[in-house]
Amino acid sequence: SIVLTQPPSVSVAPGKTATITCGGDNLGTGSVQWYRQKPGQAPMLVLYADSDRPSSIPERFSGSNSGNTATLSISRVEAGDEADYYCQVWDMSSDHYVFGGGTKVTVL
Amino acid sequence: VQLVQSGAEVKKPGASVMVSCKASGYNFTNFYVIWVRQAPGQGLQWMGTINPASGGTNCPQNFQDRVTLIRDTSTSTLYMELRGLTFEDTAVYFCARVWQLGASHFSDFWGQGTRVTVSS
Repeated sequence: SIVLTQPPSVSVAPGKTATITCGGDNLGTGSVQWYRQKPGQAPMLVLYADSDRPSSIPERFSGSNSGNTATLSISRVEAGDEADYYCQVWDMSSDHYVFGGGTKVTVL
Repeated sequence: VQLVQSGAEVKKPGASVMVSCKASGYNFTNFYVIWVRQAPGQGLQWMGTINPASGGTNCPQNFQDRVTLIRDTSTSTLYMELRGLTFEDTAVYFCARVWQLGASHFSDFWGQGTRVTVSS
């Protein structure tokens, strides 16, 4: 079964770029989604199909997926970007949904 | 689009809990729904998927014996029953609509979450 590995935490200064990775075997052959979750709230989709953004998500959020690693980048980081971020894939062989362990982004 | 879940529950070990999720603002039978839970301080855990059109379900092995997913098309409501509760089932439970875009299956709308506390 697919296992997705994320770093537990990432710290970034305001105005800089935060990079969050999601690792998994042959991840680049699939499609990765990213969610943001603030304390006490439900997750919210920020990227789908590796790099596509819902209309409400600013262009500061971008993504890539190649080899064994998918990446979510947040440029010009703001205090409001502080949250937990989760990657997710759908395993078509088993029709299972898999989430990464989550990464806490702290804005310094 | 809205998914509105039932309120918080407190249950004793060994009991069962049923969480509801009422959908509105879209064609109920056109979108699969997943259930996801989050234990305190932990990550997201997929519990299962239901096809509201057929009622067909798919759950991971670790939940197959304890979880039942059903839907009521007359009220556009989904239900998740978890049996044999243990302290480790204390969590917030979410329902979420699934958008299928080729190989991309993702959740674009989520319920607000239902807190289930298992306490003796």
